[in-house]
Amino acid sequence: DAGVTQSPTHLIKTRGQQVTLRCSPKSGHDTVSWYQQALGQGPQFIFQYYEEEERQRGNFPDRFSGHQFPNYSSELNVNALLLGDSALYLCASSSRGLDSYNSPLHFGNGTRLTVT
Amino acid sequence: QKEVEQNSGPLSVPEGAIASLNCTYSDRGSQSFFWYRQYSGKSPELIMFIYSNGDKEDGRFTAQLNKASQYVSLLIRDSQPSDSATYLCAVTPGGYGGSQGNLIFGKGTKLSVKP
Repeated sequence: DAGVTQSPTHLIKTRGQQVTLRCSPKSGHDTVSWYQQALGQGPQFIFQYYEEEERQRGNFPDRFSGHQFPNYSSELNVNALLLGDSALYLCASSSRGLDSYNSPLHFGNGTRLTVT
Repeated sequence: QKEVEQNSGPLSVPEGAIASLNCTYSDRGSQSFFWYRQYSGKSPELIMFIYSNGDKEDGRFTAQLNKASQYVSLLIRDSQPSDSATYLCAVTPGGYGGSQGNLIFGKGTKLSVKP
């Protein structure tokens, strides 16, 4: 049973560029959430996708956008990259079924983004 | 601003001792509480979750929740060097279940278990 998979594992970009990160959820999961984790900090919620729509959003600018596909996989796009966007980007999946209201998130291994 | 507070540590304990990690949260409506372990450079790994007041035990780990005090803790018995990691406390905002994905994390407590 594959867990949450993310690609790429590492990425180096230049300020002003755009980046796309990808995530496939754990089998049986239908909800994908994205988090940003800066060095020495806890993960911060970016947004969540369910049924191909953004359902909730954290305190992140519009430069951060996403998409969910019919197979539940998801992309995170960041435009006009800033040095401060350098972080570990984590994808987490879960299931929104009625019997899983409190079920925990399962995280992927993350994408390490470095902006120079 | 909903917050989760943890002592950043480092917390250093000898091998075989009990490690006690603490967390307070500001949103009185929070319903679900999670402890994640994160090794350096790796992603968070779920250790335990708790929803009801009291203790919940799983092997060497015990989570304790006191909603009146807005306090959650994690005890690690018989600590091993392999337990050395950063422990992240996470809570759901009021009105949301854990599966809805919008956890609020603390900054984490770094635990070091000395052989």
